[in-house]
Amino acid sequence: EVQILETGGGLVKPGGSLRLSCATSGFNFNDYLMNWVRQAPGKGLEWVGQIRNKNYNYATYYAESLEGRVTISRDDSKSSVYLQVSSLRAEDTAIYYCTRSYYYYDGTYYYVMDAWGQGVSVTVSS
Amino acid sequence: ETVMTQSPTSLSTSIGERVTLNCKASQSVGIDVDWFQQTPGQSPKLLIYGASNRHTGVPDRFTGSGFGRDFTLTISNMEAEDLAVYYCLQYGSNPWTFGGGTKLELK
Repeated sequence: EVQILETGGGLVKPGGSLRLSCATSGFNFNDYLMNWVRQAPGKGLEWVGQIRNKNYNYATYYAESLEGRVTISRDDSKSSVYLQVSSLRAEDTAIYYCTRSYYYYDGTYYYVMDAWGQGVSVTVSS
Repeated sequence: ETVMTQSPTSLSTSIGERVTLNCKASQSVGIDVDWFQQTPGQSPKLLIYGASNRHTGVPDRFTGSGFGRDFTLTISNMEAEDLAVYYCLQYGSNPWTFGGGTKLELK
């Protein structure tokens, strides 16, 4: 069974930083691209960023709104991915989801984001 | 970045109705669009990938279509369990971006 579990959320002061962890099991982590997606209270989904796998040299991509404040890393030996966000603002208050994507080819290429964690809540407040 | 605009933002519907949700990209993304469903308190679930391919286990009343800038998700025969918020995601160019969502409600 595919399992994706985010941890590390909680209350953080403005200007501080956070580090979220995402532990996975039930699939070959090395084969997957991993994403972070967030959702502010009562709002829509926002793609935060992605780290690709070894086949893609662990390339990272980030949302423009967070560029410069966010770092995504992974540890294939632990089947885990991490999100660091610095200089936190009230607007970073959200549920943060860890998701997996895979590259699929059946004559056409697709990225398929097929599994999500339950999310972890982060509140930025003094 | 590619901006994804979903319309309408909310839609009142009835059980058994045919529902059409729209997603428009600010630039061409080919067929690189997924659709997700999110019910209250739950994580989003993948419905459609590659604009028109139904994910495993998704009922065939859900149909995706489109290419380039304009994409559509159609629910052919609305059921109560389909009341949710629907999001499109483009992965045709980095950074990936979601649409703002369409909320389906009962009339």
